[in-house]
Amino acid sequence: DAGVTQSPTHLIKTRGQQVTLRCSPKSGHDTVSWYQQALGQGPQFIFQYYEEEERQRGNFPDRFSGHQFPNYSSELNVNALLLGDSALYLCASSDEGRQPQHFGDGTRLSIL
Amino acid sequence: AQSVTQPDIHITVSEGASLELRCNYSYGATPYLFWYVQSPGQGLQLLLKYFSGDTLVQGIKGFEAEFKRSQSSFNLRKPSVHWSDAAEYFCAVGAQGGYQKVTFGTGTKLQVIP
Repeated sequence: DAGVTQSPTHLIKTRGQQVTLRCSPKSGHDTVSWYQQALGQGPQFIFQYYEEEERQRGNFPDRFSGHQFPNYSSELNVNALLLGDSALYLCASSDEGRQPQHFGDGTRLSIL
Repeated sequence: AQSVTQPDIHITVSEGASLELRCNYSYGATPYLFWYVQSPGQGLQLLLKYFSGDTLVQGIKGFEAEFKRSQSSFNLRKPSVHWSDAAEYFCAVGAQGGYQKVTFGTGTKLQVIP
């Protein structure tokens, strides 16, 4: 039973560029949430997707956007990258938004 | 707004000693509470959760936590720590019901010495 998978594992970008991160939820799950974890901090909620719509959003600017596909997989897009966007981006999935969520191993994004 | 405070940034314990990690939360109603563990370069693994009922909850790897409503606390305990428990531990709170976001604390890094 595959858990939550994220790609790529690591990514290096420069300021001003755009990036797309990908997430496949655990088998049987239909809800995907994205979190940003800066170094030495706890994860911060970015947004949640269910039925291809954004259900909830945390306190992140519009540079952060997402998408969910019919197969429940999801993408996180970040435009106009800033140095402060360097972080571990975690994807979590659940069944119909029910707790608890299952987390992937994350994508480490470094901005130069 | 919901929030979580983990007052200890870093804790060091000897292998075989007992462990208690503190967590205080702020939430207007009865929350969902979680403890997650994160090893370096890894995602988050759920140790245990509290939704309702018995306030003492058992989790994986020999961990337990107690929900104390009067103190707004959900402390994590383990009677005897193993070297493999060295990791970062996160307490989290969420609203009851589906499609609710989860708010994490800043984490406590556990070091285990022989």
